[in-house]
Amino acid sequence: ELKVEQNPLFLSMQEGKNYTIYCNYSTTSDRLYWYRQDPGKSLESLFVLLSNGAVKQEGRLMASLDTKARLSTLHITAAVHDLSATYFCAARNTDKLIFGTGTRLQVFP
Amino acid sequence: GAGVSQSPRYKVAKRGQDVALRCDPISGHVSLFWYQQALGQGPEFLTYFQNEAQLDKSGLPSDRFFAERPEGSVSTLKIQRTQQEDSAVYLCASSRGFSDQPQHFGDGTRLSIL
Repeated sequence: ELKVEQNPLFLSMQEGKNYTIYCNYSTTSDRLYWYRQDPGKSLESLFVLLSNGAVKQEGRLMASLDTKARLSTLHITAAVHDLSATYFCAARNTDKLIFGTGTRLQVFP
Repeated sequence: GAGVSQSPRYKVAKRGQDVALRCDPISGHVSLFWYQQALGQGPEFLTYFQNEAQLDKSGLPSDRFFAERPEGSVSTLKIQRTQQEDSAVYLCASSRGFSDQPQHFGDGTRLSIL
């Protein structure tokens, strides 16, 4: 059974700092997805990682995938307040997505 | 709009009542998914359609939950004899059906059972 774990669960960081969110999954999965969710809102797709070694960047966010280690990371560079949200990773199991519990990120001045 | 549309946004029902939640996917998306999201948790898979065929319903928590997509477009998730533990946000997502594309989520229906 595919399980997905994220850490940390909560992250409070100062503007301008860097940090990484980790996503581990328990069995083989051929796709890894990152989503952002603002309070009371739906999930916004950030990245789709398709293969081992894949790296994608958008603004201050960069995601990578290591399928051998069953690990994906979401790196935040020079955080700004607008990045405050909950971030979910999800691994694909056949056609459905298995989500982690999320990382709640709060960026303060 | 061009996104996934769900209705109603909020639904309050008394325990024991039946409810129906609607999802209108992005036009042309063959795959449609339902997820349940409890407060402070990640979404959990309920069921999946490809066009009108329900290919996976392994996540439906009980036989009180039923989903349909009769014409391969709009889908309805029905919950019979609601219980308090059914209170959650129900999210619908659609995709083109290719794994290199993300699932696009609607805003969800927040269901509260009193």
